[in-house]
Amino acid sequence: AQKVTQAQTEISVVEKEDVTLDCVYETRDTTYYLFWYKQPPSGELVFLIRRNSFDEQNEISGRYSWNFQKSTSSFNFTITASQVVDSAVYFCALSGSNYQLIWGAGTKLIIKP
Amino acid sequence: DAGVIQSPRHEVTEMGQEVTLRCKPISGHNSLFWYRQTMMRGLELLIYFNNNVPIDDSGMPEDRFSAKMPNASFSTLKIQPSEPRDSAVYFCASSHVAGELFFGEGSRLTVL
Repeated sequence: AQKVTQAQTEISVVEKEDVTLDCVYETRDTTYYLFWYKQPPSGELVFLIRRNSFDEQNEISGRYSWNFQKSTSSFNFTITASQVVDSAVYFCALSGSNYQLIWGAGTKLIIKP
Repeated sequence: DAGVIQSPRHEVTEMGQEVTLRCKPISGHNSLFWYRQTMMRGLELLIYFNNNVPIDDSGMPEDRFSAKMPNASFSTLKIQPSEPRDSAVYFCASSHVAGELFFGEGSRLTVL
């Protein structure tokens, strides 16, 4: 069975701190994809990144970076120098041989000024 | 390009009434999804269309829910009759790359 676990329900940090959101997945598929989505207070879900199982290179996009480690089945997301606008619920998701996304429960990130 | 457009943004109705939610996907996207989000159950996939054809509706709660996609630019999700437990935010999303979903702003439904 496929599963995504985001153990951190809520994280609160002060602005400019670095913060890492954890994501652990389970799948028997050899080819799969991992995703992160952001849901700000306004409500819409925003796609952030897609990573396939054959590409373990870390990804950096501005203040955002993602660390994919197959050995630990983890796909963690780090925000460097956090800002208040980063406050949101962040979802990790997994898709395997079919189209369907398996979603984590989400981590609520609160950035205090 | 315009994103996924949903209407209405907010709907308050009474139990037993029919509710119709509408979605216009992003032009060129061949997949369309309807999701429901509640605090208790998180994000739930209700139905998935590919090239306007329903592929998987196993997430539709019961016969009171129905969805259609008459063409590539329009989809509806209908609840008849509505019940208080249907209160949720309903999201429509479209995609042309597997897993990369573009979501609408959602329709917040309250059934009294």
